[in-house]
Amino acid sequence: QITLKESGPTLVKATQTLTLTCTFSGFSFSTSGVGVGWIRQPPGKALEWLALIYWDDDKRYSPSLKSRLTVTKDTSKNQVVLTLTNMDPVDTATYFCAHRRGGVYYFDYWGQGTLVTVSS
Amino acid sequence: SYVLTQPPSVSVAPGKTARVSCGGNNIGTKSVHWYQQKPGQAPVLVIYYDSDRPSGIPERFSGSNSGDTATLTISGVEAGDEADYYCQVWDGTSDHYIFGTGTKVTVL
Repeated sequence: QITLKESGPTLVKATQTLTLTCTFSGFSFSTSGVGVGWIRQPPGKALEWLALIYWDDDKRYSPSLKSRLTVTKDTSKNQVVLTLTNMDPVDTATYFCAHRRGGVYYFDYWGQGTLVTVSS
Repeated sequence: SYVLTQPPSVSVAPGKTARVSCGGNNIGTKSVHWYQQKPGQAPVLVIYYDSDRPSGIPERFSGSNSGDTATLTISGVEAGDEADYYCQVWDGTSDHYIFGTGTKVTVL
């Protein structure tokens, strides 16, 4: 059974750096093709893909946020960490992590999401 | 960058058929995936690779994709189908994932 859960601060100030952790179970980065993605959703708005890290440590970032995003993984802890620098109130959103099975291009399991509010 | 456009809302009476469109340039050449999201919950995959259903998703959910439009069809709509629906594609050139603008399906 695959599960994912996001954790991190619920409130950050503008200009600060956001660090979120995705802790997962039921799969491993030892499996070829596996990936974990990050997707966010501002209140009342659409989903926005942010980043994805692959089993082999290859990484992909949204072009619009690439300069501010970093994604890393800790295989031994079954965790993925997302950092977003220079936070702004427009970055207020629910942040989700999600599982991508090897060889497919969709997300089949999602975390519950964590709401991050950015204060000015 | 590639853009996916969905109608903001679709209304349907119980028992009828709801169709949610997802427009994109030559989207028929890409694989389209659909997610259902209820208030306060994470998205759930309901259709993958244009028309396949994950286990546990009712047969009432189906999908098609051709030309510049992909369509999610919900037959025999039930009150529990009221949710936001998002389409998603993968851009193979850049290895990026793209979500649609989302459609709120309201059951009258």
